[in-house]
Amino acid sequence: QVQLQQSGAELAKPGSSVKISCKASGYTFTSYDISWIKQTTGQGLEYIGYINTGSGGTYYNEKFKGKATLTVDKSSSTAFMQLSSLTPEDTAVYYCATVTMMGDWNWFAYWGQGTLVTVSS
Amino acid sequence: DIQMTQSPTSLAASVGESVTITCLASEDIYGSLVWYQQKPGKSPQLLIYGATILEDGIPSRFSGSGSDTQYSLKINSLQPEDFASYYCQNGLSTPYTFGAGTKLELK
Repeated sequence: QVQLQQSGAELAKPGSSVKISCKASGYTFTSYDISWIKQTTGQGLEYIGYINTGSGGTYYNEKFKGKATLTVDKSSSTAFMQLSSLTPEDTAVYYCATVTMMGDWNWFAYWGQGTLVTVSS
Repeated sequence: DIQMTQSPTSLAASVGESVTITCLASEDIYGSLVWYQQKPGKSPQLLIYGATILEDGIPSRFSGSGSDTQYSLKINSLQPEDFASYYCQNGLSTPYTFGAGTKLELK
């Protein structure tokens, strides 16, 4: 069965960076793009962007350009998201999810368990 | 960006009742509407995609409808495990945007 296993919670200081991982199993890694989604109590669910797991090509939501960097390691079936120049507003749970595409329809069928990032001095 | 306006924000109901949640897109999304359920401390779970297509394994008491800019999620005969938060998502164009969510609580 498809599983996405994310790395553990992070406590980071303002101005620093963190790198979250998302290890896929149960399917051919390059069959799905991987998206990243931010969830906070105040802002709800926000789409960060996606990475094409075959080509490494990326799309970023304008709001997260310069904040998030998406990469992939096909050899280990793992996607990564680095968050830089952290501020308290980056405190959130971050999810990775597979992207299923059917014509003009796109949806997130499988989700990781989430990684809590807390930014505090 | 396509804005998704979801209502109500919260809803109280009893086991056995039926409820409807609505989602309004700021422009036509041509049926590319997705619904998720999220329980506390868990990841969102896919319920419906393409506005009306039930994901495998989702009970038939869940149904989706709508077109153009207006969409609905109906849950018939609520079960105890249905009390959770529900989110709609624009699946047409990036950035994929989500509604603010509906918290379904036990009355």
